[in-house]
Amino acid sequence: QVQLVESGGGVVQPGRSLRLSCAASGLTFSSYGMHWVRQAPGKGLEWVALISYDGSKKFYADSVRGRFTISRDNSKNTLYLQMNSLRAEDTAVYYCAKDRGFGVVVAATLFDYWGQGTLVTVSS
Amino acid sequence: QSALTQPASVSGSPGQSITISCTGTSSDVGSYNLVSWYQHHPGKAPKLMIYEGNKRPSGVSNRFSGSKSGNTASLTISGLQAEDEADYYCFSYADTSTLLFGGGTKLTVL
Repeated sequence: QVQLVESGGGVVQPGRSLRLSCAASGLTFSSYGMHWVRQAPGKGLEWVALISYDGSKKFYADSVRGRFTISRDNSKNTLYLQMNSLRAEDTAVYYCAKDRGFGVVVAATLFDYWGQGTLVTVSS
Repeated sequence: QSALTQPASVSGSPGQSITISCTGTSSDVGSYNLVSWYQHHPGKAPKLMIYEGNKRPSGVSNRFSGSKSGNTASLTISGLQAEDEADYYCFSYADTSTLLFGGGTKLTVL
């Protein structure tokens, strides 16, 4: 049974940094692309970033490119999102999501498992 | 890139059919047959309902179907059931390796 458990959320001041983690179990983690998707309060889903199965390819939404970094440690079955220069508009529940494929072709993205999310609040 | 455009809400009675539209541009929905649809019950993980425009994953009811015309994709749910009440999001690949969700549509089963 695939499980994705996010952690690391909390309240942070604008301009500061935060690192999210997503612990995966019940799957061969190193075989799949992984994503971060967020949902601001009262808003819809927004794709944030994708990392390929081996970490060699990374893709970002325009809204976070240059500020956020996605990474993974396949030896620990863990996905990360390093968020720097945080803004109020980054306030959201952040979900990690598993891709059905290797995550090397962005166009082929399909999410088949999701975590329950972790809340990030950017406020002074 | 802007989010794809969906109606904020739709409603229908049990047994009826409803359609949710998802309007994009020639850079996303119009250029690729790669629209997928996700069902999201608040507090739960989103669930893939339709992919590549009109394909259903194993286990998804055939009451759910997808289509596309020009820059607009559509999700149709026939024989509405109470359990279908949820938020629905379209999702598409766009030029320059971008992925876009729609704004989401809240389906109410009356």
